[in-house]
Amino acid sequence: AQTVTQSQPEMSVQEAETVTLSCTYDTSESNYYLFWYKQPPSRQMILVIRQEAYKQQNATENRFSVNFQKAAKSFSLKISDSQLGDTAMYFCAFMKQQGGSEKLVFGKGTKLTVNP
Amino acid sequence: SAVISQKPSRDICQRGTSLTIQCQVDSQVTMMFWYRQQPGQSLTLIATANQGSEATYESGFVIDKFPISRPNLTFSTLTVSNMSPEDSSIYLCSAGDRIDGYTFGSGTRLTVV
Repeated sequence: AQTVTQSQPEMSVQEAETVTLSCTYDTSESNYYLFWYKQPPSRQMILVIRQEAYKQQNATENRFSVNFQKAAKSFSLKISDSQLGDTAMYFCAFMKQQGGSEKLVFGKGTKLTVNP
Repeated sequence: SAVISQKPSRDICQRGTSLTIQCQVDSQVTMMFWYRQQPGQSLTLIATANQGSEATYESGFVIDKFPISRPNLTFSTLTVSNMSPEDSSIYLCSAGDRIDGYTFGSGTRLTVV
């Protein structure tokens, strides 16, 4: 069974600094997709970044980047130059294929607070 | 990526009644998903809805309690039936695929009294 583990329930960072959120997953599949989602207090789920497993190059979206270590089954999110608007819950998710369909399996989330 | 309009955004309902949540997507999508999120917790998938076929429910969720309709490629509804206070939660719909990513509606905060 695929599982996603986020070992940091809460984290905080000073504005303009860098923070890394960890995520590990368990799968026997060789190709799959991983995602980071942000959920601010408005509760809107926002896609931050995605990574396809067969692509060795780490995905980057502006201040957000990932450190994808396939062998270690690790998919951490780095937020550079943290901004107050980055305060949110962050969920790591694994895209699982099952019976011709696909679905996301989410970790429990990390609550990130950016302090002024 | 698709844009999803979800309504209602919130509702307070009497126990024993039913509530239907609607999601409209601005483009055609093959699969739509329905999630439940307890306050402060992660998302739990209720079911996957493909157009033209019966929804596929996850363990712990049944069609009698959470009937889903998917009449076309841009619309889906989730009904929470015979509600009890334990059904109080946030319900979210989602659509998309692994290539473009999955977009979410803004959620429905349901309180059952």
